Amino acid sequence: GENVEQHPSTLSVQEGDSAVIKCTYSDSASNYFPWYKQELGKRPQLIIDIRSNVGEKKDQRIAVTLNKTAKHFSLHITETQPEDSAVYFCAASKRNSNYQLIWGAGTKLIIKP
Amino acid sequence: DVKVTQSSRYLVKRTGEKVFLECVQDMDHENMFWYRQDPGLGLRLIYFSYDVKMKEKGDIPEGYSVSREKKERFSLILESASTNQTSMYLCASRIQGLNEKLFFGSGTQLSVL
Repeated sequence: GENVEQHPSTLSVQEGDSAVIKCTYSDSASNYFPWYKQELGKRPQLIIDIRSNVGEKKDQRIAVTLNKTAKHFSLHITETQPEDSAVYFCAASKRNSNYQLIWGAGTKLIIKP
Repeated sequence: DVKVTQSSRYLVKRTGEKVFLECVQDMDHENMFWYRQDPGLGLRLIYFSYDVKMKEKGDIPEGYSVSREKKERFSLILESASTNQTSMYLCASRIQGLNEKLFFGSGTQLSVL
């Protein structure tokens, strides 16, 4: 069935370094790819999203890239800071449904001081 | 900003009890969702509602039902709670339309003993 695979499950980086989280999706009809950040004890919040008609989108230190041919998309965080520590979820829109997303399992990002 | 409020942050129930989880949003959103969050499994959709009195099953509806009598309120019901329903439950809402941003509640951590 349709699924989204997310890697790695845990990522530890030194403060100031870059972090990359990767997701692969199975449904070639998916056309929307959001990323949500969930800090410890808090609700998930949308941080960036990309639609299938663009290959890259940036917002300050965060960027997302999309490779439709390979069916994968990635979240890039540059100059990481302690407040970037969180669980990050990727998702992809589900075929024939404007209501549902298929979610990755999440990546716990740890920023080491 | 949108406010999505879940009635309880922590809940402890006994096996076999009927459990009600309430979610209220204040931005007149048409779509509302109930997710279950378990470590390593990401967010799994239980039920969603695209408008008042409308409901559709998600990926894991077994053992759950929902009610949407008013636009702002979406209730999740565990007919007979079981220990495998111990989990974090997240409610979300969004406006009607393709690929719109989800707004999440703070979550209810349910423990079934």
